[in-house]
This record gives sequence, C-alpha cells and structure tokens, in this order.
Amino acid sequence: ILNVEQSPQSLHVQEGDSTNFTCSFPSSNFYALHWYRWETAKSPEALFVMTLNGDEKKKGRISATLNTKEGYSYLYIKGSQPEDSATYLCASPPNDYKLSFGAGTTVTVRA
Amino acid sequence: DAGITQSPRHKVTETGTPVTLRCHQTENHRYMYWYRQDPGHGLRLIHYSYGVKDTDKGEVSDGYSVSRSKTEDFLLTLESATSSQTSVYFCAISTASGGAYNEQFFGPGTRLTVL
Repeated sequence: ILNVEQSPQSLHVQEGDSTNFTCSFPSSNFYALHWYRWETAKSPEALFVMTLNGDEKKKGRISATLNTKEGYSYLYIKGSQPEDSATYLCASPPNDYKLSFGAGTTVTVRA
Repeated sequence: DAGITQSPRHKVTETGTPVTLRCHQTENHRYMYWYRQDPGHGLRLIHYSYGVKDTDKGEVSDGYSVSRSKTEDFLLTLESATSSQTSVYFCAISTASGGAYNEQFFGPGTRLTVL
C-alpha cells in the first residue's frame, strides 16, 4: 500500500473562478501518477497519467503538473464551470500492476 | 467504456449469506481489479488479476475471494457477508501492460447492502 494523500478534502468554487489542489505521494520508487475524475452516480474516468518529473498535461480547462523529486502533483481547473463539480482522485502504483488511490478532493462549483 | 459490465447492479442480502459479484469484459484485457468505495477512503483495492487463474490480494482482501477462470470474467465472492461490506463495488480493467503506466477503465459499479 502506498500512502497517497490529497488536500483539501473538499472545496467550493464560484463559477468562473480557477482553483487547484494537491496530491502527495512517496517520491521513492516512483512509477507514475494518475488523476481520475469521478462524478456523482457515475464511474471514475481517467484524466491523466504522468510519469516524468516536470510533466504537464492538459485537457480542456483542466491541467496537471508533476514533481516526482518532492512527491506532489497539482491539478488545476481554469474558469470553473458547474460541470466540473466532481471528486478528483489521484493514484500512484506501488508496483507494476496496481494503484493506490488517495481519498479524493470533492469540488463543488457554485453557479 | 472499454466494454465492462457488472452484475448485479444492485443487491440486498442478509448477514452471513454468500454473495458473488461478476465483472465481464469484452476486449480480452489481461489485468482486472475489484475496488470498494468507502467515504473518506476513495477507492480501495480488494483483489486483482493479471491473467487467467492468476490473482493477488489488495489492501482490503479479508472476507473476500476472487476467481478468474476465463479472460473475460472476474468474480468477487463475499464468503459470509457482513454489514461492514455494505459498499459500492467497482470492477476495473487496465489495457496494455498493466496498471502502473496505463489508465484504468471502470465498470458501472454494484451497490451492495448487507442487512
């Protein structure tokens, strides 16, 4: 089991504002860092898989950065919209086959 | 959606009864996973499989067993259901070479209530 931590646990954002939150993971024996988006009553869906220190990924208004040396990743949402409301999970593999998930950051965007 | 189905989608059962959940995939992916969703914990891995008849334990495997006799099916059995096993269970698959470097695709979930 890998100790993957996410903060904050939840946050509320006004529509149009930008926000970001953090995933922390052990920096030793690093394989990869995954981000998933999980909407209420649906299944988690992958956003990004990042493997290299300094990686930056972008999908629409959502982007992520990775620092493997210090063991953290940031997820950014630019110009939040109500449809961005979801729980965002990060995960890191302790070995080749499986993932250890953080508890998630729940984002609520107020119209 | 990577062709993943789960059955049943909802089940209510009584404490002490055995329960089997089924995950079925249509694309012959090698790696399959069972997770449970718990408030404050995100997703926790119960068991996973890296091939037919090849399975291993995850972080919360006590009280659960799995079987994979065919590539397309991964069964999760609660040997004697307890109220602490009330949860939503997700099956997932990983494409290509495994879960570390490839995104996982999740099934629709099974909501299990143990009374």
